[in-house]
Amino acid sequence: NAGVMQNPRHLVRRRGQEARLRCSPMKGHSHVYWYRQLPEEGLKFMVYLQKENIIDESGMPKERFSAEFPKEGPSILRIQQVVRGDSAAYFCASSPGESSYEQYFGPGTRLTVT
Amino acid sequence: GQSLEQPSEVTAVEGAIVQINCTYQTSGFYGLSWYQQHDGGAPTFLSYNALDGLEETGRFSSFLSRSDSYGYLLLQELQMKDSASYFCVLEEGGKLIFGQGTELSVKP
Repeated sequence: NAGVMQNPRHLVRRRGQEARLRCSPMKGHSHVYWYRQLPEEGLKFMVYLQKENIIDESGMPKERFSAEFPKEGPSILRIQQVVRGDSAAYFCASSPGESSYEQYFGPGTRLTVT
Repeated sequence: GQSLEQPSEVTAVEGAIVQINCTYQTSGFYGLSWYQQHDGGAPTFLSYNALDGLEETGRFSSFLSRSDSYGYLLLQELQMKDSASYFCVLEEGGKLIFGQGTELSVKP
């Protein structure tokens, strides 16, 4: 039973480029969450999605960041016009039901902006 | 807003018992969880307290006191593989609010 998959595992972008991070939840899970982690810090909630719906985006920066979870295919976190401060590890998690305290995390995507 | 406080580092000896404390401030939450993270990898769920009291899962136990806004994770019979970061986490309607993490170092 495959776990949460994220790709790419490492992504290098120059300032001003776009970054697209992909997340495939565990089989049977319809709830997806994105978190960001800076070095030596805890994870910070960004967005909570269900298929074709954004449930909670209170942690998303107002500009340049967007997320989707289409009916078919993986969830995508998109960062436009990246800046050095976007360099971080981005983790995706999934759960089978809503409001789940037990979330299953993927290995993360390490984004480096040069 | 919500905030959680936990020690940044704890060191213990193999075979010993260690307790990682967590205090929090929140206007409302469903429960307190604990997650483990090795070397920046995928965080993994350890334990959850929805109600006050102690929850035991093998070598790990977790405690919650809502009246004191306090919880702890207890690790018994420490093993070298327990060296990792441990996060106390508030759950609010699907959203997880992480503390800054406690780096546990287990020495032989």
